[in-house]
Amino acid sequence: DIVMTQTPLSSPVTLGQPASISCRSSQSLVHSDGNTYLSWLQQRPGQPPRLLIYKISNRFSGVPDRFSGSGAGTDFTLQISRVEAEDVGVYYCMQATQPPLTFGGGTKVEIK
Amino acid sequence: EVQLVESGGGLVQPGGSLRLSCAASGFTFSHYWMSWVRQAPGKGLEWVANINQDGSEKHYVDSVKGRFTISRDNAKNSLFMQVNSLRAEDTAVYYCARGGTQQLETWGQGTLVTVSS
Repeated sequence: DIVMTQTPLSSPVTLGQPASISCRSSQSLVHSDGNTYLSWLQQRPGQPPRLLIYKISNRFSGVPDRFSGSGAGTDFTLQISRVEAEDVGVYYCMQATQPPLTFGGGTKVEIK
Repeated sequence: EVQLVESGGGLVQPGGSLRLSCAASGFTFSHYWMSWVRQAPGKGLEWVANINQDGSEKHYVDSVKGRFTISRDNAKNSLFMQVNSLRAEDTAVYYCARGGTQQLETWGQGTLVTVSS
């Protein structure tokens, strides 16, 4: 199985400042069809997860443009350009390139 | 509006069974892979199973193989998971999600399964 490792575990951020989360996979996430099925999800307290970014850098419907994704191969990053209060929660990366689907351990974003 | 609503969770003794359901609306259910993902209390996300559009292809995480069975009824826009031989470590919120081979686009609110004597 592909292991997804996220850093940091926790990210205290000042409102209006940027935040960055890293995700590393144990093997390349490039699929045989040429796509890289790496996505990012947000889970606010008490809520189900919500898709933010898919295929590395594509924002899902309704996701604010302060969220962006980048990376390639085995190293990926989620960036929040200016953190708002509603961004508090846990963020997960997920790979769907090779079954079984696997998730990173999560990064908690909190306000300083 | 795309919506997924899970039901069927509850308190069950070790070795017991439940049938989880997920009612889908707001999209053409029969066009999508569907998945179940679980989250143990205070823990991260674990993919459990997925099923293709016509139910002919199913995949499971190793820890539930032989105990859980995913299925769907496209005429009723519904996804199911029969969970048997439940163990304490199966205690979790079970989410259904649209998708299964690329990204998990939409999630339900989840249904809590508690396995305890």
